[in-house]
Amino acid sequence: ILNVEQSPQSLHVQEGDSTNFTCSFPSSNFYALHWYRWETAKSPEALFVMTLNGDEKKKGRISATLNTKEGYSYLYIKGSQPEDSATYLCAFPRSNYQLIWGAGTKLIIKP
Amino acid sequence: DVKVTQSSRYLVKRTGEKVFLECVQDMDHENMFWYRQDPGLGLRLIYFSYDVKMKEKGDIPEGYSVSREKKERFSLILESASTNQTSMYLCASSLVDRGKTQYFGPGTRLLVL
Repeated sequence: ILNVEQSPQSLHVQEGDSTNFTCSFPSSNFYALHWYRWETAKSPEALFVMTLNGDEKKKGRISATLNTKEGYSYLYIKGSQPEDSATYLCAFPRSNYQLIWGAGTKLIIKP
Repeated sequence: DVKVTQSSRYLVKRTGEKVFLECVQDMDHENMFWYRQDPGLGLRLIYFSYDVKMKEKGDIPEGYSVSREKKERFSLILESASTNQTSMYLCASSLVDRGKTQYFGPGTRLLVL
């Protein structure tokens, strides 16, 4: 059974601080790893699709790294701002069209 | 700009009612998905469709059915709503290839009384 784990479940961070959280996924038969951001009252939106071991992707103050051999990815946020408050989801493709989703990390930025 | 729309943001229904949730995408995507999201759990797949009139069960199909008569529209049907179907329902679409980005609608928060 494929499983995707995210930690921590929730995180409170002071505005201006940097933070990171983890997604763990099966390391065998790796295909890709997705990160999404889901803000309250909005649709989940894709941040990154990562495919290569050692890959690092960046979007503004948010970046992600990937280790396919050990089955984890880190998402980093530098200098957190209130607009970064959201639930961050990672997902791993099954052998067909489906994605298996982690339960998410809920990030709350305190002003 | 890609767009997935869902028919209602909030819905209140009574136990035993038949409920229709509609989803429309304008990106000509082959794949469409229905998920439910409950606190502390990841998105759980109810059904997905990879073509018109084609569907496959996801992880939690019991109590649900789907319909895809046109490529852009994917409907989720609760044949007889029950209180344990109170949840957030999300529709998504994607291109056909494995692992492609999914684009989501805004969600429907359903309360079954």
